[in-house]
Amino acid sequence: EDKVVQSPLSLVVHEGDTVTLNCSYEVTNFRSLLWYKQEKKAPTFLFMLTSSGIEKKSGRLSSILDKKELFSILNITATQTGDSAVYLCAGLLNAGGTSYGKLTFGQGTILTVHP
Amino acid sequence: DTGVSQDPRHKITKRGQNVTFRCDPISEHNRLYWYRQTLGQGPEFLTYFQNEAQLEKSRLLSDRFSAERPKGSFSTLEIQRTEQGDSAMYLCASSLARRELDNEQFFGPGTRLTVL
Repeated sequence: EDKVVQSPLSLVVHEGDTVTLNCSYEVTNFRSLLWYKQEKKAPTFLFMLTSSGIEKKSGRLSSILDKKELFSILNITATQTGDSAVYLCAGLLNAGGTSYGKLTFGQGTILTVHP
Repeated sequence: DTGVSQDPRHKITKRGQNVTFRCDPISEHNRLYWYRQTLGQGPEFLTYFQNEAQLEKSRLLSDRFSAERPKGSFSTLEIQRTEQGDSAMYLCASSLARRELDNEQFFGPGTRLTVL
């Protein structure tokens, strides 16, 4: 059975700190790993990672995938109170040469950034 | 707003009643997904459509659940004879799938169902 596990489950930091969120996966026919940010509403897309070892960056956020060890990390530098949210990672399956579309989510990491 | 929309945003119903939710995907997106999210958990896959064809249903989707996407555009999710365990946020997502290209799923705001 496909499984995605995130750690830590919750994290409390102060503004300006750097955080690293972890995601490990066991997904059959794995194609990509996605990160989402969820604040009291629908998840919003952050990154999609398909190739191992290539870092993706967006402002203060960055993420990388290790397909050999089956994990990904999401880094947030110089955290701000607006970064407080649940961060979800999800595995995307591959079927027949195209991305299948079914996402298997982890339980999320609750990040709280205090001023 | 050209994002994914869902209606209603909140629904409170009594156990045993039927409820129906609607999802309007991003207009050019050919794939549509339904997920269910309970408190403290990530979303769980329920079903997915490629155009009007329902291509997979999760084991979570009991016989009381049915989903349709009759014209390949909007979709409905119906729950018959609701139970308290059905209380959750029901999320809809859409994506544009092209061969050999990755695609991300864009989520709607969700419908929060409370079964009393």
